[in-house]
Amino acid sequence: QKEVEQNSGPLSVPEGAIASLNCTYSDRVSQSFFWYRQYSGKSPELIMSIYSNGDKEDGRFTAQLNKASQYVSLLIRDSQPSDSATYLCAVYTGGFKTIFGAGTRLFVKA
Amino acid sequence: DAGVTQSPTHLIKTRGQQVTLRCSPKSGHDTVSWYQQALGQGPQFIFQYYEEEERQRGNFPDRFSGHQFPNYSSELNVNALLLGDSALYLCASSLVGRSGRRTGELFFGEGSRLTVL
Repeated sequence: QKEVEQNSGPLSVPEGAIASLNCTYSDRVSQSFFWYRQYSGKSPELIMSIYSNGDKEDGRFTAQLNKASQYVSLLIRDSQPSDSATYLCAVYTGGFKTIFGAGTRLFVKA
Repeated sequence: DAGVTQSPTHLIKTRGQQVTLRCSPKSGHDTVSWYQQALGQGPQFIFQYYEEEERQRGNFPDRFSGHQFPNYSSELNVNALLLGDSALYLCASSLVGRSGRRTGELFFGEGSRLTVL
């Protein structure tokens, strides 16, 4: 079992729709959870951090965390073509290592 | 506020050669992590340096080594290059918070793209 699992996609949504990205993790002692956006040929950019159960909203982005189910999600409202990228889920379990999933490719169709 | 800077941005080597990649962390950050990202994959943790010591290492052979300098900058060295070492090498910086605890939040540089022929 991979430590952080994501559906590789691609996930295709029309412009203006809600994109829903999901992630599961295996280590129950995980403390911090992140979503990074990575455009093709570029480096990952941190877009959301969440540390406790529930929802966290920032503009068009909402991160959801359910530690009991070991599940993290990212919702992107009013999706734009500029949101087309790979979204990486990352988990910090303490110590010195943050673990990344393989990423989900998102395409927003104009 | 200077972000994470890496050099070189692109380089081409041949099998068996050695390469050194360099990273300067974001201003105020004291910890540097190195990741390898192959095409279509997520970043894979190589190791992390804090207080000039390797603190944790991922599943990478001893051909991969590093160093952190007193100014917090870091180098990644890879010896005896293999074709499979071709990847984007990412440096990420972070810091220990005022509480003395880490959050795992990382800030990435633009990466060094290594091609091994």
